[in-house]
Amino acid sequence: EVQLLESGGGLVQPGGSLRLSCAASGFTFNDYAMSWVRQAPGEGLQWVSGISGSGGGTYYADSVKGRFTISRDNSKNTLYLQMNSLRAEDTAVYYCAKDYRYYYDSYGYVDYWGQGTLVTVSS
Amino acid sequence: QSVLTQPPSASGTPGQRVTISCSGSSSNIGSNYVYWYQQLPGTAPKLLIYRSNQRSSGVPDRFSGSKSGTSASLAISGLRSEDEADYYCAGWDDSLKWVFGGGTKVTVL
Repeated sequence: EVQLLESGGGLVQPGGSLRLSCAASGFTFNDYAMSWVRQAPGEGLQWVSGISGSGGGTYYADSVKGRFTISRDNSKNTLYLQMNSLRAEDTAVYYCAKDYRYYYDSYGYVDYWGQGTLVTVSS
Repeated sequence: QSVLTQPPSASGTPGQRVTISCSGSSSNIGSNYVYWYQQLPGTAPKLLIYRSNQRSSGVPDRFSGSKSGTSASLAISGLRSEDEADYYCAGWDDSLKWVFGGGTKVTVL
């Protein structure tokens, strides 16, 4: 059974940093691309970032480019999202999501989601 | 503002058919597959439809997806109370990113 367990969320001041983690199990982690998708309170889903199975390809939404960094440690079956220069508009539940295939491209898609971790950016 | 456009709400009585539209452009829906996700209240999204019209494992055949040009739709036939949820369309954009619709809240009257 695929399981994705996010951690690292919490309250942070504007301009601060936070690192999210996602522990994966139930599948061969390094065979699949992964994503982060967020959902602001009462709002819809917004794609944040994606990474290929090897970690060699990374992709970002314009709203987080230059501030967030996605990475993965395939030896630990863990996905990360380093978030710097946080803003109030980054407040959201952040979901870790597994892709259907290894490469991060138009043939893949999210087939499993974690339960999410809440990030609140406020002074 | 979402890249893909969905109606904010849809409703029907039990047993009715409800259709949700999703409008995009030539760089996303027009040239790539469409996906549909269901989000029950307080839970994570769940994959319903992949590659525009394929039901994910375990999804009842009451749910069906279609795509034409730069638009797509999700149909729920034989509406049931447990179908009350938010539904999101999604797809790959040729600018190397995923895009979502704003979501449609389905209410069973």
